[in-house]
Amino acid sequence: GAVVSQHPSRVICKSGTSVKIECRSLDFQATTMFWYRQFPKQSLMLMATSNEGSKATYEQGVEKDKFLINHASLTLSTLTVTSAHPEDSSFYICSARDRAFRQGQETQYFGPGTRLLVL
Amino acid sequence: AQSVSQHNHHVILSEAASLELGCNYSYGGTVNLFWYVQYPGQHLQLLLKYFSGDPLVKGIKGFEAEFIKSKFSFNLRKPSVQWSDTAEYFCAVNARFGNEKLTFGTGTRLTIIP
Repeated sequence: GAVVSQHPSRVICKSGTSVKIECRSLDFQATTMFWYRQFPKQSLMLMATSNEGSKATYEQGVEKDKFLINHASLTLSTLTVTSAHPEDSSFYICSARDRAFRQGQETQYFGPGTRLLVL
Repeated sequence: AQSVSQHNHHVILSEAASLELGCNYSYGGTVNLFWYVQYPGQHLQLLLKYFSGDPLVKGIKGFEAEFIKSKFSFNLRKPSVQWSDTAEYFCAVNARFGNEKLTFGTGTRLTIIP
């Protein structure tokens, strides 16, 4: 159980275009999803917390107008990188929290990640 | 805010050697503790977690971790490693109540030599 998928797994785009990444919880409902960015050989950096039916909460230093997050259902969150530039090239990972766990004992399950390359 | 330190950046061991990876955290309140593993080319997988109760937690693939509250530590152990344990290991922590955001350590790259 507790499978999280991401699509696409890899995307190459031209500078200035927008890219949408989907994150889905396949066998559980997730009221909360998280978006991370991972640089080569480094740890995960939390970008934002996505709550179903409400606005995302962004971490300090993350541009909310550049990284648009939508969490329209209990199983789907999307991250749109708008007007992408080469410095946005990275590995983007989502995670989802199973709402079935009682408060204070939630576990996050991670997607396989999306590698974005902006030319 | 919480922080997590993993002091071992790269560990190289021979097969059958015993493993201990250090993890220390900093936070004034009650925490949940996790170890995640990332095999080459794969996504993060949960190895084990601690919420409460017995401070010695057993996870998948023969891994265990011990929560020592007085030392703010949650070290990962395995008595005999295998080549297939080669991976990146991340310790993570979040606050038990309220803010559920995970804070990750910088990771430890484990290389097992056959």
